[in-house]
Amino acid sequence: GAGVSQSPRYKVTKRGQDVALRCDPISGHVSLYWYRQALGQGPEFLTYFNYEAQQDKSGLPNDRFSAERPEGSISTLTIQRTEQRDSAMYRCASSFFNSPLHFGNGTRLTVT
Amino acid sequence: GIQVEQSPPDLILQEGANSTLRCNFSDSVNNLQWFHQNPWGQLINLFYIPSGTKQNGRLSATTVATERYSLLYISSSQTTDSGVYFCAVGLAGANSKLTFGKGITLSVRP
Repeated sequence: GAGVSQSPRYKVTKRGQDVALRCDPISGHVSLYWYRQALGQGPEFLTYFNYEAQQDKSGLPNDRFSAERPEGSISTLTIQRTEQRDSAMYRCASSFFNSPLHFGNGTRLTVT
Repeated sequence: GIQVEQSPPDLILQEGANSTLRCNFSDSVNNLQWFHQNPWGQLINLFYIPSGTKQNGRLSATTVATERYSLLYISSSQTTDSGVYFCAVGLAGANSKLTFGKGITLSVRP
């Protein structure tokens, strides 16, 4: 597509529920990144993929967070047993090798 | 990990004025990018500039990697330039994680 697409745009969930956030990167982009952004802060790295391989997951806060990109295109970030502290903007970005990062509009997650 | 400091934290300009935003980082980097987060929350890439100077319209950026800083210049500012400007750096080329600074909040008044 023309840009990075994320869905849903907004997600409100109750504490303890699982959520799945989707990212559709720019066509042809090899690398896909997930970031989390709290209000008033810069984005914080979570994980990234080259093609379908997860290259670095050092930013995932704990084992409730996981991500996959099974066919090297669309990616899903899953948060199990959500907690209020998980509330944030979750941003996906994609890039080709040695090129600028392009972000989607994000998913605003609110855990009540 | 690498530290990224941006200054000033806040900036208020009158439309038409020029400004310089600064980014300092603690280690040698192979990847540096500037982003603009507009008031609607969209995060737009302005420059991919691990070294040297680039210009795009009223905006230009310079990175002096050996001295561990980058500067973003905005000339003849417009109200649409308002928002938060982030500097982000990475250690191992474009395909690695970027560490973001806390951002500089710019308000351009008409």
